[in-house]
Amino acid sequence: EAGVTQSPTHLIKTRGQQATLRCSPISGHTSVYWYQQALGLGLQFLLWYDEGEERNRGNFPPRFSGRQFPNYSSELNVNALELEDSALYLCASSLAPGLGYGYTFGSGTRLTVV
Amino acid sequence: GIQVEQSPPDLILQEGANSTLRCNFSDSVNNLQWFHQNPWGQLINLFYIPSGTKQNGRLSATTVATERYSLLYISSSQTTDSGVYFCAVQYGNNRLAFGKGNQVVVIP
Repeated sequence: EAGVTQSPTHLIKTRGQQATLRCSPISGHTSVYWYQQALGLGLQFLLWYDEGEERNRGNFPPRFSGRQFPNYSSELNVNALELEDSALYLCASSLAPGLGYGYTFGSGTRLTVV
Repeated sequence: GIQVEQSPPDLILQEGANSTLRCNFSDSVNNLQWFHQNPWGQLINLFYIPSGTKQNGRLSATTVATERYSLLYISSSQTTDSGVYFCAVQYGNNRLAFGKGNQVVVIP
């Protein structure tokens, strides 16, 4: 079974530009989660999508947004990039929201803003 | 929100040694997972363990939900065990909270 796949692996952008990160969940998984791991800040919850809808978001500004497609894959968009957006962005999927389902993470996209 | 504390924050082990990592959480949780983040950043699921004890090779984990803690045991450590170990708890409306991690370095 293929795991959670993320693309690109690395992304370098200039301040002010937009970045688009992609995630394909494990087949059959309907929930997709995005996390940011910035240096020294640990893993912080960004967004949760399920069945095409945004279910929850963390404490991030509106320039962090995303969507989930009918095939359950997801995109994370970061507009007006700032230097502090440089981080590892991890995507995870689970079979369904709620009790009893673990999370599986992808390998991440390392975003560098210069 | 829920607080997740991991200890010790940093651990240096001689290859072959055993160790115990601890995760304390401040409130009732629905589920708990242990992850290993390798040097390339990938988070690998080790255990999905809301309660009880599980073993997988040289690793085992125990969660005592009533006392709000979980332990991860590494036996006969190898250099490939190096990395950061994260405890994550699932609570409320499908929220996942991570601890700050245990940085483990195994030296040959």
